[in-house]
This record gives sequence, structure tokens and C-alpha cells, in this order.
Amino acid sequence: DADVTQTPRNRITKTGKRIMLECSQTKGHDRMYWYRQDPGLGLRLIYYSFDVKDINKGEISDGYSVSRQAQAKFSLSLESAIPNQTALYFCATSEPGRASTDTQYFGPGTRLTVL
Amino acid sequence: KQEVTQIPAALSVPEGENLVLNCSFTDSAIYNLQWFRQDPGKGLTSLLLIQSSQREQTSGRLNASLDKSSGRSTLYIAASQPGDSATYLCAASAGGTSYGKLTFGQGTILTVHP
Repeated sequence: DADVTQTPRNRITKTGKRIMLECSQTKGHDRMYWYRQDPGLGLRLIYYSFDVKDINKGEISDGYSVSRQAQAKFSLSLESAIPNQTALYFCATSEPGRASTDTQYFGPGTRLTVL
Repeated sequence: KQEVTQIPAALSVPEGENLVLNCSFTDSAIYNLQWFRQDPGKGLTSLLLIQSSQREQTSGRLNASLDKSSGRSTLYIAASQPGDSATYLCAASAGGTSYGKLTFGQGTILTVHP
């Protein structure tokens, strides 16, 4: 089984709808992240959480919210989806420790289309 | 604000060639520089991580170098194979109050044809 799972894998929705993307991990990592990827732009950080009680905005948090329900679960919500939120969304985890050796482990991604 | 740039955006080579992918970053105060591989429909897979105190890392046919003073990293792939076809992303890891956050380049799409 995959260490980092995302549901759903694909979603098509309409403008104005509320959408939740879910991420679960079995790696036992404290840190979790949400990114979005747009063609030609690489990945950009939306939100990140260093533990259940610590949630921080990334560089593009407007229009998004998150919930860290447990160490293993980190959800991303779009309260009122708009077409420019059409993108590939990735969840990632990392383990606490020295920053010099800290790598991230990614889920398979959720392709979201907002019509 | 850290900015990461990758050149070229796309690269097509015949099987067997050695190739170099380039990554540059604007803020040299990084904790590490990471290279990832992305396959269609899949997430990112970590290839190599170079700590800020290191100059290079090797894994099989892959070698990544880091020059903090010039803000550059390169990924060298030896004897390329069709299975190496993927998008390669580099990411700079921040420290201080931005600890653990990665800033990604836009990626290089590599195609290795038989």
C-alpha cells in the first residue's frame, strides 16, 4: 500500500461548489504539506502543518483552507471553487529532524477541474 | 523570496547519451537542494538530496552537484535510457522561520528515445 494517499484522484466540479481533498499517510510523519501544480509553474505551497496544532499558510493560501484532523490526516478545502483553481494538487509529508536531511514524500496527486 | 529556475524546459535525447539538467536559485541561504522525478499520473519521487555543506551526491547513474556561492545545481544522468523519460524538478529547502519549506523550479521534461 502507498505511504501517502490522496482522495479523490480526479474531480470535476462547478464554480461555487465546496470541495474537499483528503490526504492520509502511514509514514508516521508529523509534517504535512499541500501543493498545487500548474503547467509550466512547478509546485507552489498552499498550506503546511508541522504537527496537529500547527498550521501555516504557504505562498498561495487565498481561497483555500485546511484541517489537520490527526497526525495521519490533512484535508484541503476550497470553500467556493473557481476556474483558476483548476490544477493538480499534491499532498506531501516529511519527518521532523535536521533540516539538512529533510526530504518530502508525495502522494499521487488529485486532478481538480473547476468548470 | 527564493526563486528557482530550471533550464532547459524540455530536452529530447537519444538513448545512451549523457545529459545535464540545470537548476539555479536566487537565495544561497538554503539547507538543502533536492531533485525529484515526476511521472505522468504519479506523485514526485525523491532522487537526490544535497545538504548545504555538501558539493555532490550520487545514486547509480545520477549525480547531483551543488554550488551555493553561484546559486546553481546540476543533475547529471549517465547513459540515459528510455525509462529515464519523466519531468525532473529541483527544489530548494529554506531554513529559519521558513524551515522545511521547499521552493520548486518549473521542471525539465526529459524524453529519451530509443
